[in-house]
Amino acid sequence: GAVVSQHPSWVICKSGTSVKIECRSLDFQATTMFWYRQFPKQSLMLMATSNEGSKATYEQGVEKDKFLINHASLTLSTLTVTSAHPEDSSFYICSARDTKAGYNEQFFGPGTRLTVL
Amino acid sequence: AQKITQTQPGMFVQEKEAVTLDCTYDTSDPSYGLFWYKQPSSGEMIFLIYQGSYDQQNATEGRYSLNFQKARKSANLVISASQLGDSAMYFCAMREALYGQNFVFGPGTRLSVLP
Repeated sequence: GAVVSQHPSWVICKSGTSVKIECRSLDFQATTMFWYRQFPKQSLMLMATSNEGSKATYEQGVEKDKFLINHASLTLSTLTVTSAHPEDSSFYICSARDTKAGYNEQFFGPGTRLTVL
Repeated sequence: AQKITQTQPGMFVQEKEAVTLDCTYDTSDPSYGLFWYKQPSSGEMIFLIYQGSYDQQNATEGRYSLNFQKARKSANLVISASQLGDSAMYFCAMREALYGQNFVFGPGTRLSVLP
């Protein structure tokens, strides 16, 4: 199957700093990528849908000025957590849809564990 | 209202036995897809099986099969011949045609396979 990578796999930062997480589709083009957040022992919650070349669509309750999403190319989307606080500590997972594959093909990255001190 | 319900927060099964993980869903969209993912402790989401709303037959993928009962809006995952490596969180998810390409995930079921 297709491969989606995330970098970094884990990050620890101080409160008030910004953290950038990259999501790359390694062997396919993805016009649409999705960002999810997963708190411990909970399910995945969609944060935003990232479309190449246009603004991301955020889910209700997700602050777009805090979680900046950029999808500058068909293989890369970035999520920047600005002025991170301890409550932003979570597991962030991206997924990407293979543009040329079937409608059901969507692949998840391995996730990024963010800890804000 | 919850779109995906998984009523079993945790399940235990003996190695080599079969286990059924429950999933019920709620949608008014006639076109939708149902997915099961496995999430081991490492965190990655592993796709297991897919069932489309118009599929006439239940989906099967190796040891995984999906018991799709459309009228009851249920899509239970059956794992046959459980292995120790099957111990993980299992998430049922739905994607509705009317709401784009994103998934809605259920709360998950933690499966523990006992030796």
